[in-house]
Amino acid sequence: DIQMTQSPSSLSASVGDRVTITCQASQDINYYLNWYQQKPGKAPKLLIFDASNLETGVPSRFSGSGSGTDFTFTISSLQPEDIATYYCQQYNNLPPGGLTFGGGTKVEI
Amino acid sequence: EVQLLESGGGLVQPGGSLRLSCAASGFTFSTYAMSWVRQAPGKGLEWVSGISSSGGTTYYADSVKGRFTMSRDNSKKTLYLQMNSLRAEDTAIYYCAKTAVHYDSVWGSYRFKWFDPWGQGTLVTVSS
Repeated sequence: DIQMTQSPSSLSASVGDRVTITCQASQDINYYLNWYQQKPGKAPKLLIFDASNLETGVPSRFSGSGSGTDFTFTISSLQPEDIATYYCQQYNNLPPGGLTFGGGTKVEI
Repeated sequence: EVQLLESGGGLVQPGGSLRLSCAASGFTFSTYAMSWVRQAPGKGLEWVSGISSSGGTTYYADSVKGRFTMSRDNSKKTLYLQMNSLRAEDTAIYYCAKTAVHYDSVWGSYRFKWFDPWGQGTLVTVSS
């Protein structure tokens, strides 16, 4: 299976700060990378698909970039409602028996 | 509005069985692939299984292959996960999720892409 290494595992930042999370794949996954937000006690929510495409309705302060093995997720100006755990997820495998997620990044203020 | 409502979770002994259901509304269920994703308490996310829109093709993670069976009833707009030979490590919240897919004609396989949206989840606890 493709391993997804997400870092950092947690971070603390101030309101208005720029926050960056990285996700590294153990092999080339092209642009097949998504990002999710999970608030405490809630189900995950898709934010970014195909590495850099913002899901409809998601604020523009969220963005994603990268391809191949190295990917970045950015919150340009951290807001109190962004407190959550963020996960990357790859879908390079065919058949999809090995869809994998990163370990998550907990964002606190 | 798309809604997914899981049910069927609970406490079961090791070696036991449980069937989860996911009732869908707000979209044309029969035209979308679906997946189950689980999250052990305090841990990350793990994709468990996926099924094509017709139900004719299913995929499983190695950790559940041979023990779990995913199915769907498009007339009832309901997804199922039959879980047998349950182990302590299967303890988790189980989410159903509408799944974006692409059929790769070169490989002759579906490419399950992303999960959106997710249900609220149902907790399965395997313990004696």
